[in-house]
Amino acid sequence: DTEVTQTPKHLVMGMTNKKSLKCEQHMGHRAMYWYKQKAKKPPELMFVYSYEKLSINESVPSRFSPECPNSSLLNLHLHALQPEDSALYLCASSLQVISTDTQYFGPGTRLTVL
Amino acid sequence: AQSVSQHNHHVILSEAASLELGCNYSYGGTVNLFWYVQYPGQHLQLLLKYFSGDPLVKGIKGFEAEFIKSKFSFNLRKPSVQWSDTAEYFCAVAGNTGGFKTIFGAGTRLFVKA
Repeated sequence: DTEVTQTPKHLVMGMTNKKSLKCEQHMGHRAMYWYKQKAKKPPELMFVYSYEKLSINESVPSRFSPECPNSSLLNLHLHALQPEDSALYLCASSLQVISTDTQYFGPGTRLTVL
Repeated sequence: AQSVSQHNHHVILSEAASLELGCNYSYGGTVNLFWYVQYPGQHLQLLLKYFSGDPLVKGIKGFEAEFIKSKFSFNLRKPSVQWSDTAEYFCAVAGNTGGFKTIFGAGTRLFVKA
């Protein structure tokens, strides 16, 4: 199983809502990532988890709150988002957080903030 | 600062034409280089990567890339493109500096005319 799954595929939320994005992998990977991709732009790293601990936070606003409850699951909790946060949110995983490792990406959650 | 530059944002080719997509990087340490591809409606996936050894790397679907250290380049090539190669191609760099994070270039959208 070389698949990273993400739910939901699409999400529309208001600025006062609280929602969560979910990511799952069963490849035994110990590194998991959240990226944000705006239209016609490259993915931009948000967070990196290594062995279920937050390893990198790329100065992401606190309205985005990641959580890694176990080695297979990664969540992104959303609260009080702004319309400019509308984007495709990609989850990825790799064997470990080392620079030679291939990252396996999920299909993304397309988020629209009204 | 670490950066990746892809020279062409849009490329249109006819089937059987040769392809070369340029990628230059700026990085202060040992680098590992990747090309990822995103086919229409599909998620990002690895095309090929270089981290040591032979600077000419072969990937899936007949693609290859050459790492030229003196030019800080990692150009992607394919001798004869097919309609199914229509996709967006991202060059990426990762290294030991900056916590092993991966930096993506802006991407090149390739359209192959049948």
